[in-house]
Amino acid sequence: TQLLEQSPQFLSIQEGENLTVYCNSSSVFSSLQWYRQEPGEGPVLLVTVVTGGEVKKLKRLTFQFGDARKDSSLHITAAQPGDTGLYLCAGGTGAQKLVFGQGTRLTINP
Amino acid sequence: NAGVTQTPKFRILKIGQSMTLQCTQDMNHNYMYWYRQDPGMGLKLIYYSVGAGITDKGEVPNGYNVSRSTTEDFPLRLELAAPSQTSVYFCASSYRLPPVGEQFFGPGTRLTVL
Repeated sequence: TQLLEQSPQFLSIQEGENLTVYCNSSSVFSSLQWYRQEPGEGPVLLVTVVTGGEVKKLKRLTFQFGDARKDSSLHITAAQPGDTGLYLCAGGTGAQKLVFGQGTRLTINP
Repeated sequence: NAGVTQTPKFRILKIGQSMTLQCTQDMNHNYMYWYRQDPGMGLKLIYYSVGAGITDKGEVPNGYNVSRSTTEDFPLRLELAAPSQTSVYFCASSYRLPPVGEQFFGPGTRLTVL
C-alpha cells in the first residue's frame, strides 16, 4: 500500500511569514498533485508536478517534486489570510487512482 | 457548466438504514470517483469508474455499491448503514487518467449514522 505522510498536520502563523509543508513517502509516484480545500467545499487543484526535481511557481506558492519522486514540498512566501485552508498532496499511482495525504491545516492570522 | 453536483448536502441515517448519494457531472468526463473524508484525515477512495458500465473497487469499498449507467451519473449506495460510515463523501470526475488528470470535486455530502 502506498502512503503519503504530510507534515506538519497543523500550522498557525502570522501574516507575512514564510512556511513550508512537506509530503513524504517510501514509494515512488508517477506524479504529485497539491489541492487546497476550504471548509464545506471539495478540494481544488493547485498544481501537478510529474518530473523528478521539477519546480513550479504559482504566485507566492512554490512546489517541488523530489528527485526520486518520493516526496514533495509546498513553500508559501509572505503568507496571507487568504492562504488559510487544508492543503492536500496526492500521488498518482499509475493505476488510474490518486493516493491522498492526510492534509496540513494552515491558519494565517492577520 | 455546473461542474460536479452532489445531493443531498446533509443526511442523518439510523443504523441499518440504506440510502443513495447522488453525483452528476456535466463536463463529459469519463473518469469518476467516490471518496470519503474522515475528520483530520485525507481522502480515501471508495469506488471509481473509467466509463459507463465499468466500475472498480478502491481502498475502502466494504459497505458500499456503485453503478455507472451513463457518463453523467455515478450514484453511491450505502446498504445497512453503520456508525463507521459517518463521514463526508466527495464525488469527483476527471477528463483523463491520473496521474496527470485534474480531479474536479463536488461540494460533498455530510452523512451521520446514529
